[in-house]
Amino acid sequence: DAGVIQSPRHEVTEMGQEVTLRCKPISGHNSLFWYRQTMMRGLELLIYFNNNVPIDDSGMPEDRFSAKMPNASFSTLKIQPSEPRDSAVYFCASSLDPPGNTIYFGEGSWLTVV
Amino acid sequence: DQQVKQNSPSLSVQEGRISILNCDYTNSMFDYFLWYKKYPAEGPTFLISISSIKDKNEDGRFTVFLNKSAKHLSLHIVPSQPGDSAVYFCAASVKTSYDKVIFGPGTSLSVIP
Repeated sequence: DAGVIQSPRHEVTEMGQEVTLRCKPISGHNSLFWYRQTMMRGLELLIYFNNNVPIDDSGMPEDRFSAKMPNASFSTLKIQPSEPRDSAVYFCASSLDPPGNTIYFGEGSWLTVV
Repeated sequence: DQQVKQNSPSLSVQEGRISILNCDYTNSMFDYFLWYKKYPAEGPTFLISISSIKDKNEDGRFTVFLNKSAKHLSLHIVPSQPGDSAVYFCAASVKTSYDKVIFGPGTSLSVIP
């Protein structure tokens, strides 16, 4: 079975550039999550969608971050403009209702902003 | 303001001994708790969970204990094996209509052969 698929796996970009991270959730899952992992804060929930609708984006750090889920099989997390402090590993994850079911993570997108 | 806390960033244990990883939470509305394990360069993977109606859940070498009054849970690994060396994340959620899982900062476990 295909798990959560993220791309790119690694991205190095210059400060000020736009970064787009992509995610394909597990087929049939109707909840999708974007997390960011840093040494200081661990795994932070940025935003999550249920049935393609953003439910809670209170974790999005600032307006430079945006996320979309145009359909059940695709989501993007965009940073524009990027800054060095955005350097982190970004994880996409998905799960199936009802609440409390296991969340399955992708392998992460390693972002470095120089 | 972290709702899920793991106050030990790292832990070292001898192979064969017990590993105890601790987690505290502040939100009394949390009613479902999970542990995830993460190897370097991989995404976290689900390990074990417990509902607030229980105080213990066991799966092989892994046991999770929940103390609701203290808002504390712990993961016990017995016996510890070198392959258990990883970062362990504690997580909690509220069973509302939608799933929102909050993770702690993680504890890095090293099992020494």
